[in-house]
Amino acid sequence: QSALTQPASVSGSPGQSITISCTGTSSDVGASNYVSWYQQHPGKAPKLMIYDVSNRPSGVSDRFSGSRSGNTASLTISGLQTEDGADYYCSSYSRSSTPVVFGGGTKLTVL
Amino acid sequence: EVQLVESGGGLVQPGGSLRLSCAASGFTFSSYWMSWVRQAPGKGLEWVANIKQDGSEKYYVDSVKGRFTISRDNAKNSLYLQMNNLRAEDTALYYCARDLLLRPYQSDYWGQGTLVTASS
Repeated sequence: QSALTQPASVSGSPGQSITISCTGTSSDVGASNYVSWYQQHPGKAPKLMIYDVSNRPSGVSDRFSGSRSGNTASLTISGLQTEDGADYYCSSYSRSSTPVVFGGGTKLTVL
Repeated sequence: EVQLVESGGGLVQPGGSLRLSCAASGFTFSSYWMSWVRQAPGKGLEWVANIKQDGSEKYYVDSVKGRFTISRDNAKNSLYLQMNNLRAEDTALYYCARDLLLRPYQSDYWGQGTLVTASS
């Protein structure tokens, strides 16, 4: 069982917006600015999409945005495109004995 | 161009050992925290370990403490993971990753991974 909880799957149509949630605790997501999101296409390495809760690395589309409320972080993708279909993982620094925890991943299907 | 190339994976019997290597290029290796992250077949990502720029701080996931050792050689631009007493549950694709500058725990570049299979 993963430390952070994500929905197993979400779906949307091209042009729509979707949001993926990532629920942790006051020891990780709720307490750290080191919350990040990764995109992973099948057979490929993960790609950093969001860091520090809401910052985008250079080259990442501004259709991707991150936010946090309490112990839950969220990734929103607006103007869905077919190439956005992938697995998405959240991660956070944690005050527990393991300093980095991941969510179980969410499969995004663009219909 | 930042490049991370892992090697050293393979098939090993439970209880055996392997040493993974990651060759880094295209950036000042000694300026960055580095991490290992693994992914079991068909499963999600699991952070394994990371190491500070000068090797003075190392952190591990609970399940590998006492069995795995992360190290680095800044003169050779290389990251390592020594894995001892391997278990079936260690079977995974192991990624080498560069952490964001001044922001450990978040990785901006990843290698393509090296596969470790612990099976009899």
